[in-house]
Amino acid sequence: GAVVSQHPSRVICKSGTSVKIECRSLDFQATTMFWYRQFPKQSLMLMATSNEGSKATYEQGVEKDKFLINHASLTLSTLTVTSAHPEDSSFYICSAKGQGKAFFGQGTRLTVV
Amino acid sequence: QQQVKQSPQSLIVQKGGISIINCAYENTAFDYFPWYQQFPGKGPALLIAIRPDVSEKKEGRFTISFNKSAKQFSLHIMDSQPGDSATYFCAAGMSGSARQLTFGSGTQLTVLP
Repeated sequence: GAVVSQHPSRVICKSGTSVKIECRSLDFQATTMFWYRQFPKQSLMLMATSNEGSKATYEQGVEKDKFLINHASLTLSTLTVTSAHPEDSSFYICSAKGQGKAFFGQGTRLTVV
Repeated sequence: QQQVKQSPQSLIVQKGGISIINCAYENTAFDYFPWYQQFPGKGPALLIAIRPDVSEKKEGRFTISFNKSAKQFSLHIMDSQPGDSATYFCAAGMSGSARQLTFGSGTQLTVLP
């Protein structure tokens, strides 16, 4: 089946620094990818929809200047958490649609210290 | 109208028993109903999915039952095993659309040995 690869799986960064998370569709082209945030024991919260070659669409309440999304190719979308703060610590997951189905990356555990 | 309601929130089943998780949706435009399994620290993995042209789909020990008139669908895990202990999310979406899926709130399943 289709595979979505997300990297890194874990990252620890200092407060004030920026962190980039990559999401790749390995065996299909994804014109649209999605970025989610998940808090412990909760469902996935959609942050933004990443469109290849155009600006991302952010959900209400998500700061676009803080969570920068770039979808430069049909197989790669990146999420950059800028000027990270401890409250940004969370599990971030990307998703891509392929073959009529939605597949998820492995997730990235971000810890801001 | 975009909501997907999932129950129960948590479920404890003895090994060998049947686990049943239910979901209900409101948007009649939905035509794709996947179930995802998520282990701690991992991204959701597509388990099984159904489209409304069939009332049941079975893959191994996992079965989706779909009731179009009631706008409900459920996941049955037969002969539940401790390795099935995970969080399960139902979702609904429109297969012809690039829009993201609407997720249920999740069910924490624990299968006792």
